[in-house]
Amino acid sequence: NAGVTQTPKFRILKIGQSMTLQCTQDMNHNYMYWYRQDPGMGLKLIYYSVGAGITDKGEVPNGYNVSRSTTEDFPLRLELAAPSQTSVYFCASSYSSGMNTEAFFGQGTRLTVV
Amino acid sequence: GQQLNQSPQSMFIQEGEDVSMNCTSSSIFNTWLWYKQDPGEGPVLLIALYKAGELTSNGRLTAQFGITRKDSFLNISASIPSDVGIYFCAGIPQGGSEKLVFGKGTKLTVNP
Repeated sequence: NAGVTQTPKFRILKIGQSMTLQCTQDMNHNYMYWYRQDPGMGLKLIYYSVGAGITDKGEVPNGYNVSRSTTEDFPLRLELAAPSQTSVYFCASSYSSGMNTEAFFGQGTRLTVV
Repeated sequence: GQQLNQSPQSMFIQEGEDVSMNCTSSSIFNTWLWYKQDPGEGPVLLIALYKAGELTSNGRLTAQFGITRKDSFLNISASIPSDVGIYFCAGIPQGGSEKLVFGKGTKLTVNP
């Protein structure tokens, strides 16, 4: 099983450029999450989704957009990159309830905006 | 919203020592999870807890779901250098959307 796969692993963007961080999971999880982690800090929730076609804002959604057209994929879009978006981005997925609510994480995407 | 207060923020210990960290909230949680993040990697699940009072071990790690359902702790016994990393607690609060809430992490340094 691949689990949660994120691409790319590294990216350097210029201010004002746009890009999409890809995330796919093969565990048929209904919940998916995007977090950012600044150096030495914890995880901040950007957006999450409870199922295909449904997305909701987390703590720090400004400057980002998401879509969830399929159960497997949850891309994160940066429209106008800013230096404040330099961070490591993690995608995660989980089942919604019951005894299997553990979230599984991807390896992360390191983004630098210059 | 529901928040998790994780402490301590960082710990510096000698190899062989035991470690204890905890997570508290003013809200009731239905699930508690403990993750470890190695440098440059994503968080990896260590232990999952689903019932109040539950005590679960994973090797040298032991975690408990507090009776009040508002706290959890993680203990590491006989620490070794590879225990270095950031440990996160996470939980699913009662009611609401069932999305995970994370603590800010405990950074553990183990001196050989």
